[in-house]
Amino acid sequence: EVQLVESGGGLVKPGGSLRLSCTVSGFTFSSYSMNWVRQAPGKGLEWVSSISSSDSYIYYADSVKGRFTISRDNAKNSLYLQMNSLRAEDTAVYYCARDSTPYSGSYFDYWGQGTLVTVSS
Amino acid sequence: QSVLTQPPSASGTPGQRVTISCSGSSSNIGSNTVNWYQQLPGTAPKLLIYNNNQRPSGVPDRFSGSKSGTSASLAISGLQSEDEADYYCAAWDDSLNVWVFGGGTKLTVL
Repeated sequence: EVQLVESGGGLVKPGGSLRLSCTVSGFTFSSYSMNWVRQAPGKGLEWVSSISSSDSYIYYADSVKGRFTISRDNAKNSLYLQMNSLRAEDTAVYYCARDSTPYSGSYFDYWGQGTLVTVSS
Repeated sequence: QSVLTQPPSASGTPGQRVTISCSGSSSNIGSNTVNWYQQLPGTAPKLLIYNNNQRPSGVPDRFSGSKSGTSASLAISGLQSEDEADYYCAAWDDSLNVWVFGGGTKLTVL
């Protein structure tokens, strides 16, 4: 059974940092591109970042470029999102999602349950 | 303001057929396939339609998707109360090198 479990969310002050993790099981992690997608309270889905299976290709939304860094450890079956210089508008539930191929641009066939990040003083 | 445009709401009575539209541009829907996600209240999104019109295993054939030019549509026939959810379209944008989502459509079953 495919499982994606996010962790690392919490309350952080504006300007602070947080590192999210997504640990997966039930499939060969190193064969798939992975993504972070977020959803602000009461709002729609917003794609944040993608990383290809061997981290050759990395993409970011303009809203997080220069502040967030996506990475992965295929040996640990884990995806990460390092979030720096956090702003109130980064408050959201962050989902990790698997792309169906090694490269970005196909579709997100599995999603985690999400982890809540709250940026507030 | 989302790159892909969806109506904010849609509604229907049980048994009816409803459609949800998704409008984009030549760099996203016009160049790539469209995917649809269903988000039931309080849960994570779930893949509903991929590659314009393909259903993942387990998705009822009441759900169908189509694409024409720079627009796409999701149709739900034989509407059921459990279909009440938020629906999002998404596509890769070749110009921006990003995934773009629609703003979401809240479906209400009356």
